[in-house]
Amino acid sequence: QQQVKQSPQSLIVQKGGISIINCAYENTAFDYFPWYQQFPGKGPALLIAIRPDVSEKKEGRFTISFNKSAKQFSLHIMDSQPGDSATYFCAAIPTYSGAGSYQLTFGKGTKLSVIP
Amino acid sequence: DTGVSQDPRHKITKRGQNVTFRCDPISEHNRLYWYRQTLGQGPEFLTYFQNEAQLEKSRLLSDRFSAERPKGSFSTLEIQRTEQGDSAMYLCASSPVAGVRQTQYFGPGTRLLVL
Repeated sequence: QQQVKQSPQSLIVQKGGISIINCAYENTAFDYFPWYQQFPGKGPALLIAIRPDVSEKKEGRFTISFNKSAKQFSLHIMDSQPGDSATYFCAAIPTYSGAGSYQLTFGKGTKLSVIP
Repeated sequence: DTGVSQDPRHKITKRGQNVTFRCDPISEHNRLYWYRQTLGQGPEFLTYFQNEAQLEKSRLLSDRFSAERPKGSFSTLEIQRTEQGDSAMYLCASSPVAGVRQTQYFGPGTRLLVL
């Protein structure tokens, strides 16, 4: 059972454009949602994260939008640059204590290519 | 402040051999995690330590896998009698005591190829 569904699988955006990646979750116990950026051969790097008590969080060119009722969240990359070309993973984790509370559940990833 | 480090970065082994990977977390992070990532997939949780105690193990962690964190600092992940299906990137992450405990910082990973 895939608890975090991510789309699209791949995305091609022109330089300067907006990249949008969507995720949906099923487990209502999730209440912390980080995004990770991964370059080939490297480990995932934390990009930005959000809790469901806010609907939007912005850090530089990166914005997370969150819709708690729909159990969906998305990453927007404004003014996309070739250096943003990487695989992006959404993830979710519950904040209760106990079994499963320390596991990040990842989406399958979106490979972003920003073309000049 | 150095990040999470892992050693080796790459390992090629023959089926049936044992392999051991090491992870050094960010200093003063008392929580340490192991994940496995196969090609085209997101990382999957394997196990979690708080200090030296292994508090959680995924069903993905078969009897051939064992992880330790003897002094609450570095951790090792051993795979015995490797199989071709064990080929993957093995990622280590750590998180702090204070602050947002769910924020996990990943190392560069150890890529394992079982021939």
